[in-house]
Amino acid sequence: AQSVAQPEDQVNVAEGNPLTVKCTYSVSGNPYLFWYVQYPNRGLQFLLKYITGDNLVKGSYGFEAEFNKSQTSFHLKKPSALVSDSALYFCAVRDENTGNQFYFGTGTSLTVIP
Amino acid sequence: GAGVSQSPSNKVTEKGKDVELRCDPISGHTALYWYRQSLGQGLEFLIYFQGNSAPDKSGLPSDRFSAERTGGSVSTLTIQRTQQEDSAVYLCASSRDVGSGANVLTFGAGSRLTVL
Repeated sequence: AQSVAQPEDQVNVAEGNPLTVKCTYSVSGNPYLFWYVQYPNRGLQFLLKYITGDNLVKGSYGFEAEFNKSQTSFHLKKPSALVSDSALYFCAVRDENTGNQFYFGTGTSLTVIP
Repeated sequence: GAGVSQSPSNKVTEKGKDVELRCDPISGHTALYWYRQSLGQGLEFLIYFQGNSAPDKSGLPSDRFSAERTGGSVSTLTIQRTQQEDSAVYLCASSRDVGSGANVLTFGAGSRLTVL
């Protein structure tokens, strides 16, 4: 069955330090992978996606993510965290075989400490 | 429109009442999804519309929930005889034809439902 796991409910990082938000997935076919961010009282905003090609994907606000097929992971990273990065982050996957469904993780709350 | 518009942004209702939540997707987006986000929970898929195809209702939690999409555009999610456990933020998202895996979901700001 298709699924996404975000093993950390909460991640704290000091401002200026690198950050990582973890995501692993399970699909039957090739995955399409996405990261979204949700600020308080807002809808989800698209950050970046992996469809095919280069395993390192760059997105909005300096974020990037690396697709690792052998580890079935798609961790979100940023070299230097900002306080304004504090938000809820969701990983999502689509399966090329089932197409229509987006499967979301349970979200990771990121807090960047000044 | 420029984005996905949802209304109302906040709705407080009494247990047992019916509520309607509206979603106006981005013009030209043929795919429309409803999700539910409960406090401390992830996104729960409810229903999916794609063009004129029959909707995928597999995520609706009970027969009190229904949704329709008129003219391939605006969608209404209806919850009948609301219960306290229905309290959540209901998110609508739209996308171009999801036949291409490259297409992403654009979300509205959500409708926060509180059932007293």
